[in-house]
Amino acid sequence: GQQVMQIPQYQHVQEGEDFTTYCNSSTTLSNIQWYKQRPGGHPVFLIQLVKSGEVKKQKRLTFQFGEAKKNSSLHITATQTTDVGTYFCADPSNDYKLSFGAGTTVTVRA
Amino acid sequence: GAGVSQSPSNKVTEKGKDVELRCDPISGHTALYWYRQRLGQGLEFLIYFQGNSAPDKSGLPSDRFSAERTGESVSTLTIQRTQQEDSAVYLCASSLTVGRGHEQYFGPGTRLTVT
Repeated sequence: GQQVMQIPQYQHVQEGEDFTTYCNSSTTLSNIQWYKQRPGGHPVFLIQLVKSGEVKKQKRLTFQFGEAKKNSSLHITATQTTDVGTYFCADPSNDYKLSFGAGTTVTVRA
Repeated sequence: GAGVSQSPSNKVTEKGKDVELRCDPISGHTALYWYRQRLGQGLEFLIYFQGNSAPDKSGLPSDRFSAERTGESVSTLTIQRTQQEDSAVYLCASSLTVGRGHEQYFGPGTRLTVT
């Protein structure tokens, strides 16, 4: 499958601040999924983006799919301690398996 | 409704022993996936089932790893002659069917420690 690269690997955020994590692919993606894994937990599906330039919001989370469908971003506003965890993007271009990025691990300073 | 369940939640075994990990997918989900996650790392695809067949076993790390699924429900992942590098969390996921774009629902995982 295709490789998706995520940056940064670690994100230390002051509570209340905003941050963005990025997912990049060298090839065009058909769509992109985002998952969140809390410490000690399992990945939980957040959202799927399909269309070029698509933007979807979930409360304080904004997901964007690039115009060329080669990158995606997750922007979190007013970070809270509940946002702690690892955020993975995943490429479902293969019909049966997800190719996960390495994830961005988010810690929050109160 | 009930989600994906896995057992045991934790397994400590001695090097060289065989282990069997179990996954109960969401009822009605025909697709089932196994992943491995080493500490602090991403998810590594191992194998998937569509129904009871496993068309792609190329993700299995070695011939010590095998998996089966019966009755389009329960799946077991077996690791023979465990090695220390097998220590990881083994995650199972299921989806309604295979096909790009289907959301995968993950179980809580089995944490395997090989001593």
